[in-house]
Amino acid sequence: GENVEQHPSTLSVQEGDSAVIKCTYSDSASNYFPWYKQELGKGPQLIIDIRSNVGEKKDQRIAVTLNKTAKHFSLHITETQPEDSAVYFCAAARGGYQKVTFGTGTKLQVIP
Amino acid sequence: KAGVTQTPRYLIKTRGQQVTLSCSPISGHRSVSWYQQTPGQGLQFLFEYFSETQRNKGNFPGRFSGRQFSNSRSEMNVSTLELGDSALYLCASSRVTENTEAFFGQGTRLTVV
Repeated sequence: GENVEQHPSTLSVQEGDSAVIKCTYSDSASNYFPWYKQELGKGPQLIIDIRSNVGEKKDQRIAVTLNKTAKHFSLHITETQPEDSAVYFCAAARGGYQKVTFGTGTKLQVIP
Repeated sequence: KAGVTQTPRYLIKTRGQQVTLSCSPISGHRSVSWYQQTPGQGLQFLFEYFSETQRNKGNFPGRFSGRQFSNSRSEMNVSTLELGDSALYLCASSRVTENTEAFFGQGTRLTVV
């Protein structure tokens, strides 16, 4: 089955700095890569996703890059703010079903 | 538009008991997936339902089961509860096209004592 590795497990940055979270996946057939943000006491919320036919996608301060050859993808958050503090999960999936495999999560702390 | 609703939010059960959790998907969403989240194992896929049929199943024992009703609402059941079943159980719903966005509920926090 699919295996998704995520690094780092914790990340502290100063407000205004950038944060980068990296993930690798094992199943070359995976073609959908969502990123979720989970705040305390809440369910994961989709913040950005990328499909295998695209190398990069941006949404305001958030961007995701995908390297299919190397089987890795990354989340970039620029100009971090305290409200960005949360746990971030990467994930990989293939096909039309919702069997998504999640990474182990990155706890991001933005220091004011 | 209402989000995914999970009930109850919190539950305390005793070892050996059974429990049923409920999930109401977003209106128009026909796929419902269930996940178990624990500090040690992270987010793990349990199963996915579409049109009252289980289409995918994760690596969990048969004590974990689920079903989906004709209105797309879903329930999951855990029988003979063990201490290790203590977790946050999350439900996600989506429309059914290729790799569509999944929306999560707030989860049910199950504690087994």
